[in-house]
Amino acid sequence: EPEVTQTPSHQVTQMGQEVILRCVPISNHLYFYWYRQILGQKVEFLVSFYNNEISEKSEIFDDQFSVERPDGSNFTLKIRSTKLEDSAMYFCASKGTGAGELFFGEGSRLTVL
Amino acid sequence: EDQVTQSPEALRLQEGESSSLNCSYTVSGLRGLFWYRQDPGKGPEFLFTLYSAGEEKEKERLKATLTKKESFLHITAPKPEDSATYLCAVRAFSQGGSEKLVFGKGTKLTVNP
Repeated sequence: EPEVTQTPSHQVTQMGQEVILRCVPISNHLYFYWYRQILGQKVEFLVSFYNNEISEKSEIFDDQFSVERPDGSNFTLKIRSTKLEDSAMYFCASKGTGAGELFFGEGSRLTVL
Repeated sequence: EDQVTQSPEALRLQEGESSSLNCSYTVSGLRGLFWYRQDPGKGPEFLFTLYSAGEEKEKERLKATLTKKESFLHITAPKPEDSATYLCAVRAFSQGGSEKLVFGKGTKLTVNP
């Protein structure tokens, strides 16, 4: 069964360092997303990406965040200068059609020290 | 603002003891209500999408229903492997064509053998 894959599964970094989280969405999907979940809290929307551009972003997704689809298979989330409050599980998701459901990856746990 | 409230926060059942989880929502216009299952440290796993009041969907021991204000996830004769957190999310109409899902905090279900 096709699935969304994410790397790394866990990353520990120092405050102020840059982090790149990588995702390989399901191959024929057209819509891509990043969500995050701080421990014990709700899953929160960060950004959606379609047709090689950001289609929507939340208030959380400030100038420290960026997304990129560098080739036909990868979708990345970059945090330029990490803060303690960026510690969370980051989920990549993809969707095939406009009205379809999102399929999530297993997540990348980011710990900022 | 779109909101999703799930109850109860936690539910303990004996194996075989049927019950229901509730998801109440407030949205400007519903474009889909989604149920996901989340195991500890994992990404949300898609279960169901419901689009209109009166719609029902079933999968094994799970059945999801939808009214204009809430959705229920009925669990019939649960087994220990059904233990997980069940997440409800909504996608709403918006002028900008929002694609984001708004999640509830989830119901943590524990099924004892």
